[in-house]
Amino acid sequence: AQSVSQHNHHVILSEAASLELGCNYSYGGTVNLFWYVQYPGQHLQLLLKYFSGDPLVKGIKGFEAEFIKSKFSFNLRKPSVQWSDTAEYFCAVMGSYNTDKLIFGTGTRLQVFP
Amino acid sequence: DGGITQSPKYLFRKEGQNVTLSCEQNLNHDAMYWYRQDPGQGLRLIYYSQIVNDFQKGDIAEGYSVSREKKESFPLTVTSAQKNPTAFYLCASSRTGQNQPQHFGDGTRLSIL
Repeated sequence: AQSVSQHNHHVILSEAASLELGCNYSYGGTVNLFWYVQYPGQHLQLLLKYFSGDPLVKGIKGFEAEFIKSKFSFNLRKPSVQWSDTAEYFCAVMGSYNTDKLIFGTGTRLQVFP
Repeated sequence: DGGITQSPKYLFRKEGQNVTLSCEQNLNHDAMYWYRQDPGQGLRLIYYSQIVNDFQKGDIAEGYSVSREKKESFPLTVTSAQKNPTAFYLCASSRTGQNQPQHFGDGTRLSIL
């Protein structure tokens, strides 16, 4: 079955700490991968995406993610978090040729304290 | 500004009543989607539409209905058959075809009185 697994449900960090949020997916075939962010009281925004090419993708606000095909993973990283990164983060997968459905993980709530 | 507008932001419903959530987009996107977001469960697809006058069931379509009479609009009706309608509902749209990310509205929070 197609699915996305986010292992960390709630992460608490201090400012300037490094961040890595795990994302593993189960999907037969080539995939497009996404990270979305939902800041408190705001709509879901696209943070970064992978379609093809360089497996290390850079997104907005200093975030990056690495697609490791052999591990079916697309972990999100940021070297130094800020208080303003407090949000909920969702990993999502879509088949490259089945673009009807975007499958989301359950989300990771990140809290950053000054 | 181009975007997706969902209304209302908050909605209250009595048990046994149908209620319709509005979603309008001016991005000229062909595809539109409805998701339900529950704590700890992420987003689950209710219905989607790739073109006007056509739509498909998602993973949790029971108790919901949609229409797509115009490209810009994709209203969702939560019927009395939906056993647990209290949730946050998100509408999204995208271009069709490969490599097209979805763009989301601000959501509607539905509560049962």
